[in-house]
Amino acid sequence: DTGVSQDPRHKITKRGQNVTFRCDPISEHNRLYWYRQTLGQGPEFLTYFQNEAQLEKSRLLSDRFSAERPKGSFSTLEIQRTEQGDSAMYLCASSLQSPDLYGYTFGSGTRLTVV
Amino acid sequence: AQTVTQSQPEMSVQEAETVTLSCTYDTSENNYYLFWYKQPPSRQMILVIRQEAYKQQNATENRFSVNFQKAAKSFSLKISDSQLGDTAMYFCAFMKLGQGAQKLVFGQGTRLTINP
Repeated sequence: DTGVSQDPRHKITKRGQNVTFRCDPISEHNRLYWYRQTLGQGPEFLTYFQNEAQLEKSRLLSDRFSAERPKGSFSTLEIQRTEQGDSAMYLCASSLQSPDLYGYTFGSGTRLTVV
Repeated sequence: AQTVTQSQPEMSVQEAETVTLSCTYDTSENNYYLFWYKQPPSRQMILVIRQEAYKQQNATENRFSVNFQKAAKSFSLKISDSQLGDTAMYFCAFMKLGQGAQKLVFGQGTRLTINP
């Protein structure tokens, strides 16, 4: 287990198309987070899972966005009817129960470009 | 809501010099952690150093140290003997403790360049 994996690394899509990203966390980590990072900004929290339960969603996560973590392992983030404003880096991170003690491990991100 | 502000968008120093990155934050919480993360051009965010708010002693990790001023809500990062590999975006981040997501609130980042 070499860390948090995200797939794909890059995605270019036309406006209006749907896209789905995948995140594979570190296997023993029960917490999984999605963040969005736009150019020149720090990451912003989108949503958080503890095992398979989605426990918190940011108001940044419009109804076009949906995230799942069906078996408490990998997670997917889907964006429907993409807009140019969705262009960003989507970061996934995982942690053990107490990220204050154990920290987060981030993936390398999926860069989405909507044209 | 918490906010984190990094007022230096870019900094540049010569190799082996010492550099200090600034960060201020705003919160009404008492129990929290502060972090500095590094994001190299390869993009993966890496934890540099963390500070528990209840600890008065400043955290250190090898060449990296912080100056934590709780009353002033200031949390600066000092990098000593800077190396070319320190070139990266640096983000200051806040985490509220307790129940809930324990999510990170990030500043806008400082792009640090170490010149040979």
